[in-house]
Amino acid sequence: AQSVTQLGSHVSVSEGALVLLRCNYSSSVPPYLFWYVQYPNQGLQLLLKYTTGATLVKGINGFEAEFKKSETSFHLTKPSAHMSDAAEYFCAVAQGGSEKLVFGKGTKLTVNP
Amino acid sequence: SQTIHQWPATLVQPVGSPLSLECTVEGTSNPNLYWYRQAAGRGLQLLFYSVGIGQISSEVPQNLSASRPQDRQFILSSKKLLLSDSGFYLCAWSPGGIYEQYFGPGTRLTVT
Repeated sequence: AQSVTQLGSHVSVSEGALVLLRCNYSSSVPPYLFWYVQYPNQGLQLLLKYTTGATLVKGINGFEAEFKKSETSFHLTKPSAHMSDAAEYFCAVAQGGSEKLVFGKGTKLTVNP
Repeated sequence: SQTIHQWPATLVQPVGSPLSLECTVEGTSNPNLYWYRQAAGRGLQLLFYSVGIGQISSEVPQNLSASRPQDRQFILSSKKLLLSDSGFYLCAWSPGGIYEQYFGPGTRLTVT
């Protein structure tokens, strides 16, 4: 069965600094991978997804993620953090054989001025 | 374009009272529909999903139930709420055959 591990439930960065949110997955089949963002008291918004093809995926709001099969990782990065990036971020993997997603427990990103 | 609605946005209910949360999707047909619960510090828990009218799969045994009376309508219900039912309830949809899901704005339920 697929699973997702997000390292670090809380990450704090300074405005303008690099954002790196870590996600490792386990999957017995080629994975489809996703990053979602959730602002307080709102639903989740799809940031980016990896299905097939190019392993570096660009998403909205300047975020990108790289699929590394050898490391079973799909880390989310942004070169320069903005205050508006403060939110909770969820990594997810599609569960093979069904149309369900398995989510990590989330990483709360704080951006300090 | 597609839009997903949830109501109510917030709800405060006493223990033992019934519950009905509604989710509707516009701009698509025959979507897959999902109910999740998000409790503080516990991530997203899939409660139910549906691939068609009357087809409901339950992921977690509990005192909640779901129904899909129309193609684009998904309802979460309970006959008697427990304190542990408090949380943020999210409805999501996806086009059949692809995996990404699109979420509604959520309902904050507080059971007192």
